[in-house]
Amino acid sequence: EVLLVESGGALVQPGGSLRLSCAASGFSFSSYSMNWVRQAPGKGLEWISYISLSSTTRHYADSVQGRFTISRDDARNSLFLQMNSLRDEDTAVYYCVRDHYYALDHWGLGTLVTVSS
Amino acid sequence: DIQMTQSPSSLSASVGDRVTITCRASHSISTFLSWYQHKSGRAPKLLIFYLSNLASGVPSRFSGSASGTDFTLTISSLQPEDFATYYCQQSHSFPWTFGQGTKVEMK
Repeated sequence: EVLLVESGGALVQPGGSLRLSCAASGFSFSSYSMNWVRQAPGKGLEWISYISLSSTTRHYADSVQGRFTISRDDARNSLFLQMNSLRDEDTAVYYCVRDHYYALDHWGLGTLVTVSS
Repeated sequence: DIQMTQSPSSLSASVGDRVTITCRASHSISTFLSWYQHKSGRAPKLLIFYLSNLASGVPSRFSGSASGTDFTLTISSLQPEDFATYYCQQSHSFPWTFGQGTKVEMK
């Protein structure tokens, strides 16, 4: 069974940093591209970042470009999101999502990030 | 960036109804269009990928179609477990984008 478990969500002050992790199991992690998608309270889904196999290619939404960094550790079957210069509008549930041929086919349950003073 | 305009934002329907949700892409996205179902407190679920392909385990009452840059998700006979929010998403070019969502509520 494919399992994606996010962790690292917390309450952080504006301007602060946070690192999210995603532990993957039940599939060959190194064979899949991965993504982060978020949902702010009362809002819809927002794709925010993509990383390809072997970390060759990375893409970001304009809203996080230059502040967030996606990375992966295939030896540890883990995906990460380093979030810097956090803003109020970054408050959201963050989902770790597997990418299978351009479709987001497996999602974690998410981890909540709250940015507030 | 490609904008995905989804409609309606919400709808009320009864069990057994035929339900149609539409997304319009601001540019051509070929068949790189997926549909997702999301229930509060749960992980979103892939329903349809590449325009019209059913994801594993998804009932055949769900279907996807297109006419140009207009994309449609159809639920042929709404079931109690289908009350949820639905999203379209394009993966033709980065940044990938979602529609605003359609909340399907019980009439």
